[in-house]
Amino acid sequence: KQEVTQIPAALSVPEGENLVLNCSFTDSAIYNLQWFRQDPGKGLTSLLLIQSSQREQTSGRLNASLDKSSGRSTLYIAASQPGDSATYLCAVRGYGGSQGNLIFGKGTKLSVKP
Amino acid sequence: DAGVIQSPRHEVTEMGQEVTLRCKPISGHNSLFWYRQTMMRGLELLIYFNNNVPIDDSGMPEDRFSAKMPNASFSTLKIQPSEPRDSAVYFCASSLNSADTQYFGPGTRLTVL
Repeated sequence: KQEVTQIPAALSVPEGENLVLNCSFTDSAIYNLQWFRQDPGKGLTSLLLIQSSQREQTSGRLNASLDKSSGRSTLYIAASQPGDSATYLCAVRGYGGSQGNLIFGKGTKLSVKP
Repeated sequence: DAGVIQSPRHEVTEMGQEVTLRCKPISGHNSLFWYRQTMMRGLELLIYFNNNVPIDDSGMPEDRFSAKMPNASFSTLKIQPSEPRDSAVYFCASSLNSADTQYFGPGTRLTVL
């Protein structure tokens, strides 16, 4: 059974720092991996989706990497801003009939202090 | 596009009552997902539909939960009878196809007293 873990559960950094959020998964047979952002009281916003054949994806100040063999993904945020404060979740998707089934980690709550 | 629309945004009900949550997916999306989020268990998939057909309902906790998708633009999640342990935020999401990026609605916060 696939399990997704995100460490740390919470992170506080001063504005301007570069930071890395970690995600690990137990079954390396994934179809793709997706990073989301969730603001308090809101739904999830998709940030990046990495296919299993890809090593990384970039969008603006965000860069997500994927190492399937080791069961790890990282989300790198450059030059963090207070507006980046949110909970970041990663989710993995399997093959076949479970392709629609995203397995989520519990998230890392990020606080960026001005 | 207005994105995924969910109603109501908040629901407070008493134990034993029937609860119906509603979702309108993004137009043109073929897949629709219902999730439940709690502090203890995080975000869990309850059920998902492809082209209005339920594909995986293994996450539906028990017979008190049922979901329907009568057409491509509407889905309901019903709980009957509701129990206090059903209190959670329920999200609906849609995607072009089942393996594509999912777009989430704002959620329905359900409180069962």
